[in-house]
Amino acid sequence: GAVVSQHPSWVICKSGTSVKIECRSLDFQATTMFWYRQFPKQSLMLMATSNEGSKATYEQGVEKDKFLINHASLTLSTLTVTSAHPEDSSFYICSARDLKLTTNEKLFFGSGTQLSVL
Amino acid sequence: QKEVEQDPGPLSVPEGAIVSLNCTYSNSAFQYFMWYRQYSRKGPELLMYTYSSGNKEDGRFTAQVDKSSKYISLFIRDSQPSDSATYLCAMSASNTGNQFYFGTGTSLTVIP
Repeated sequence: GAVVSQHPSWVICKSGTSVKIECRSLDFQATTMFWYRQFPKQSLMLMATSNEGSKATYEQGVEKDKFLINHASLTLSTLTVTSAHPEDSSFYICSARDLKLTTNEKLFFGSGTQLSVL
Repeated sequence: QKEVEQDPGPLSVPEGAIVSLNCTYSNSAFQYFMWYRQYSRKGPELLMYTYSSGNKEDGRFTAQVDKSSKYISLFIRDSQPSDSATYLCAMSASNTGNQFYFGTGTSLTVIP
């Protein structure tokens, strides 16, 4: 299957700092990428849909000013957690949809980023 | 009520056993059903993908969908230690990759 690279795989930061997470589609182009958050023992929850060249669409209850998304190219989307607090500690996963094959089975996930805010 | 309910387990079985994993859902608009396998601290990878009701088999894996009961299952035959992972069900009303609803995942351990 196609490869989606997510970096870093884990990060520890102090409260109040900002953290950037990158999501890259390595062997395909993706106009749309999705960002999910997964708390322990809970399901993956969609945070936002990232569209190349336009503003991201955020799910209800997700603060767009706190979770900044930039989808600057067809292979890269970034999620920046601004002024992180301990309650933002979670596992963040991106997924990318192949530009040419926009069906459910052509949605590929990154390996995730474990964020711990002290 | 959650959109998708999945027993988190953990489930522990001996090698060679048949494993049954299940999800229930409430939204009758869901038509596309996926099962993902997720290893620890890794992203989910697609195992099975089915549309509407019925069965689908791929090697040792069989996915079943019963839309009338809003119930889906994943069966693993001749389970192997390498099958030890968390299994997530996901479903969607559309086939565009948008708006997936995930279960919480079931943690499976296959004991050699």
